[in-house]
Amino acid sequence: AQSVTQPDIHITVSEGASLELRCNYSYGATPYLFWYVQSPGQGLQLLLKYFSGDTLVQGIKGFEAEFKRSQSSFNLRKPSVHWSDAAEYFCAVGPSGSARQLTFGSGTQLTVLP
Amino acid sequence: DTGVSQDPRHKITKRGQNVTFRCDPISEHNRLYWYRQTLGQGPEFLTYFQNEAQLEKSRLLSDRFSAERPKGSFSTLEIQRTEQGDSAMYLCASSDARVPPAGELFFGEGSRLTVL
Repeated sequence: AQSVTQPDIHITVSEGASLELRCNYSYGATPYLFWYVQSPGQGLQLLLKYFSGDTLVQGIKGFEAEFKRSQSSFNLRKPSVHWSDAAEYFCAVGPSGSARQLTFGSGTQLTVLP
Repeated sequence: DTGVSQDPRHKITKRGQNVTFRCDPISEHNRLYWYRQTLGQGPEFLTYFQNEAQLEKSRLLSDRFSAERPKGSFSTLEIQRTEQGDSAMYLCASSDARVPPAGELFFGEGSRLTVL
C-alpha cells in the first residue's frame, strides 16, 4: 500500500529565510508525486508535480522539489520565503498513469515570522 | 471557467440526520473525485467518477455514504444517518483525464460538516 510521511507537523521560519519541507513516500512502482498548498478557507492548490524525467521540478510561487528515488523522498524547497507562503503544505503520491487515487501526507503547517 | 464549486460550504446537523453535498466541477473535466479531510490530516480519497460512471467506490467509509453523478456533470455525496465521527471537510476535485499523463486535480473549497 502506498503511504506518505511528512515528519514535520509545524515549521517556523523568518521571512527571507530558505525553506525545506520533507516528504517520504512508500510506493511499489514508479510514483507520481505532488505538492499541494492549502490556505485557510481556500481549496488545495497544486504547487508542482513529478511524473518522470528531470528529478528537479519547478513549480509555482518560486517552489521547487527534488525526487530522490534512493531515499524515497520528494522534498519541497524555496530559497526565500515570503509572508504569504504561510499555509499548510501537503505531499501526495499517486499511481503512475493517473492522478486519481492520491494518498496525502498529514501535512506541514508553515508559519512565517516577520 | 469558475473553478470547482461546492455547496453548502458549511452544514451543521444533528446525529442521525441525512446530509447531501453538491459539487460542480470545471465544465470540461470528465473526472470528478471526492475526498474527506479531518482535522490535522491530509485528504483521504473516497470515490471518483469518469463521466457518469463511478469507477472506484470501495474506499467509501461505510454503506451510509453514497455518491452519484447522474449526467456526468455535477455530483452529490450523501451521508445517511450521520454520526459525530462524520464531522469533517468533504472535498471535491475534478480533472481532465484526456490531458496526459494524468491531469491535474483542481480542488474546490470544501464542504465542512459538523454533526452535533
